[in-house]
Amino acid sequence: EDKVVQSPLSLVVHEGDTVTLNCSYEVTNFRSLLWYKQEKKAPTFLFMLTSSGIEKKSGRLSSILDKKELFSILNITATQTGDSAVYLCAIPRNNDMRFGAGTRLTVKP
Amino acid sequence: EPEVTQTPSHQVTQMGQEVILRCVPISNHLYFYWYRQILGQKVEFLVSFYNNEISEKSEIFDDQFSVERPDGSNFTLKIRSTKLEDSAMYFCASSRGGLAGVPLQETQYFGPGTRLLVL
Repeated sequence: EDKVVQSPLSLVVHEGDTVTLNCSYEVTNFRSLLWYKQEKKAPTFLFMLTSSGIEKKSGRLSSILDKKELFSILNITATQTGDSAVYLCAIPRNNDMRFGAGTRLTVKP
Repeated sequence: EPEVTQTPSHQVTQMGQEVILRCVPISNHLYFYWYRQILGQKVEFLVSFYNNEISEKSEIFDDQFSVERPDGSNFTLKIRSTKLEDSAMYFCASSRGGLAGVPLQETQYFGPGTRLLVL
């Protein structure tokens, strides 16, 4: 059965800290992995990763995929209180998308 | 920037009543999805829809659920006889899709969700 496992489930840091969120997966016919940020409501898209070893970057956020070891990490540097959210890892399959349980990040001032 | 919209944002209904949740996907998108998220739990896939028919559905999507694209812009989820456990946030999503009906595993854009409370 396909699995998407995120760790940690919850993380509390102070502003300015750097965090690394993990997502491991076991999915047949893998093609891509997506990261979403979920604040109060809908998940908003962050990154789509398809190739191993190529870092995607957007401001203080970056992500990389390792297709050999079947995981991805999402890094956030110099965290701000506005980064507080649940970060979701998701694997699109043929006609649906399998989500991980998410990592709840809380950034304290 | 185009976005997925959903109405209503909140709905409260009595158990056994029918509800229709509405979504307007991004206009040039071809694939549409419904997900739900029970409070405190993970986002769960319900159904995907392409070319006016269901492509895939999960075990959650039983006979009480149906989807429809009644016109060129709306995509609806109907729950025929709501149960208490249907209380959740329901998200609609859409994606551009690939060529010739081949699903492309591409980014799905989510609407803001409808919070459904069944009493």
